[in-house]
Amino acid sequence: DGGITQSPKYLFRKEGQNVTLSCEQNLNHDAMYWYRQDPGQGLRLIYYSQIVNDFQKGDIAEGYSVSREKKESFPLTVTSAQKNPTAFYLCASNTPQKSLAKNIQYFGAGTRLSVL
Amino acid sequence: DAKTTQPPSMDCAEGRAANLPCNHSTISGNEYVYWYRQIHSQGPQYIIHGLKNNETNEMASLIITEDRKSSTLILPHATLRDTAVYYCIVRDEGYGGSQGNLIFGKGTKLSVKP
Repeated sequence: DGGITQSPKYLFRKEGQNVTLSCEQNLNHDAMYWYRQDPGQGLRLIYYSQIVNDFQKGDIAEGYSVSREKKESFPLTVTSAQKNPTAFYLCASNTPQKSLAKNIQYFGAGTRLSVL
Repeated sequence: DAKTTQPPSMDCAEGRAANLPCNHSTISGNEYVYWYRQIHSQGPQYIIHGLKNNETNEMASLIITEDRKSSTLILPHATLRDTAVYYCIVRDEGYGGSQGNLIFGKGTKLSVKP
């Protein structure tokens, strides 16, 4: 089945450690996105990528890094510089299109990151 | 992008219609209204979207007022599985980049009760 796969479902980070969250899609979508969600809050955009080997900062990029070496994959690294990483992380993808098209994003099931 | 205002929570009896309102008084002519929902601890799921005409699909109906300043998502026969946070988002259909992003607020927490 086509979709977006995020792994792991749960992740624990120690102080000073970098951790990487995986996001893979087989929908042949051009664009991929990373969001962060804190309890009771909406989603905030961390990074996004429109095409391979290109990505842009979102609203809260500090303390995070990404890569887009393949169309299917958009891993997110939470670095030690991110002082409050505990959150629910969501990956999404779509193919932004020109007029008269749908701008629908498809989401993965999320990764819940906690600090030990 | 236009901002949206939604009630923080609503209750609905199982089997009844759930009507979720959204105000978007600053919406511009080329902005669409999108609805997503997020069941607890899952990723958001697309429901429906529209520009100015009412829309219906297998999940829901979307009613947009004539002046486009507000809309209502209707779940015609709510079930317990419809309990979720529902997000109303306005976005233009621009191509690529930040124009492809969606801005999620806090949404409306809908509780469907037996």
